[in-house]
Amino acid sequence: GAGVSQSPSNKVTEKGKDVELRCDPISGHTALYWYRQRLGQGLEFLIYFQGNSAPDKSGLPSDRFSAERTGESVSTLTIQRTQQEDSAVYLCASSLAATGVGEQYFGPGTRLTVT
Amino acid sequence: RKEVEQDPGPFNVPEGATVAFNCTYSNSASQSFFWYRQDCRKEPKLLMSVYSSGNEDGRFTAQLNRASQYISLLIRDSKLSDSATYLCVSLRAGSYQLTFGKGTKLSVIP
Repeated sequence: GAGVSQSPSNKVTEKGKDVELRCDPISGHTALYWYRQRLGQGLEFLIYFQGNSAPDKSGLPSDRFSAERTGESVSTLTIQRTQQEDSAVYLCASSLAATGVGEQYFGPGTRLTVT
Repeated sequence: RKEVEQDPGPFNVPEGATVAFNCTYSNSASQSFFWYRQDCRKEPKLLMSVYSSGNEDGRFTAQLNRASQYISLLIRDSKLSDSATYLCVSLRAGSYQLTFGKGTKLSVIP
């Protein structure tokens, strides 16, 4: 079956511009996560969606970052007024409800470069 | 101190060798543990969960030592295709935030 998909795969943007990243989770996966991976670093948790519950936004690094999810499907991560330190790979993952949180399926990521 | 720490390596081993990675965690509330594999410029993929009693999946064996707060991964009869970065991951009880180590890089050499 189809895995997690993300778009775009690569994005180069100028400092100060806004960007929107998209994630399509695996069908039937109610839990969706966004992570950031900077070069040579571990994955950093950003935000978590579970069904219709309020999302956990505790990992978002600043108020320039926001994310939305439509029901149990597509999610978008928006970064406003991008900065060079936002350059990273942004990974989306999904899992089967909260009990499957350890078994997450990742998308290929969006490589963001802020010039 | 990082919540999950790993030796970054690289570990360069010949084909057929046995290699072991250790990972330590600092948060005693960590309840569940996992090993993920990440190939160069690819997304992480779950390799195996780590159970208290230890578990084995083919050439891979994972063990957990709660008293010493470390997790290990043993790979026997290494293959070229095992070359990747291995990520140690913890999960606190009642949480859904996975905490990832930076990973240990393995290169299996012909």
